[in-house]
Amino acid sequence: QKEVEQNSGPLSVPEGAIASLNCTYSDRGSQSFFWYRQYSGKSPELIMSIYSNGDKEDGRFTAQLNKASQYVSLLIRDSQPSDSATYLCAVSPLSGGYNKLIFGAGTRLAVHP
Amino acid sequence: GAVVSQHPSWVICKSGTSVKIECRSLDFQATTMFWYRQFPKQSLMLMATSNEGSKATYEQGVEKDKFLINHASLTLSTLTVTSAHPEDSSFYICSAGTSYEQYFGPGTRLTVT
Repeated sequence: QKEVEQNSGPLSVPEGAIASLNCTYSDRGSQSFFWYRQYSGKSPELIMSIYSNGDKEDGRFTAQLNKASQYVSLLIRDSQPSDSATYLCAVSPLSGGYNKLIFGAGTRLAVHP
Repeated sequence: GAVVSQHPSWVICKSGTSVKIECRSLDFQATTMFWYRQFPKQSLMLMATSNEGSKATYEQGVEKDKFLINHASLTLSTLTVTSAHPEDSSFYICSAGTSYEQYFGPGTRLTVT
């Protein structure tokens, strides 16, 4: 059974701090990694995708991938109350968006003023 | 990012009736679409993979005769919940893949009375 593990949280951080969200996966052959944000009652929204080891930055978001450790993380700098949501880590055994994603259960982030 | 729409956004129906939900990729062609279901405070559950021009692939435990999926064109997939019952009440979300990533529609909230 291929699995994606996330700490369910809630992860509580003060406004302006860095939020660090972590995810591990069991399938060593995984090729594509995604972070989605889901607000309560809404559908998931793609934040970042990463395919190679290292860091990928987009605005306040940085995704980090370490395939040797089977670990992917998402850093949110200067956290805002509007970042409060559930963050879903998703992994695919193949590259591209045509393939089934395996989702973690999500980490709930709460940013307090 | 790519845009995926769903219609209707919410629907209330009586037990025993059928409900059709449409999923459209608005600015790209999607040979593959996915259908998910999400109950309150629970994770996304993949129901099936919809491939244009062929039969859908259902996940284990999903009744294919109850959840009919049709992917008749490169921009449209439909999910029909047949003979709906109150336990089918849920948030149904589709996603569509591009060459790189997968994007979610806004979801359809189904309530069966």
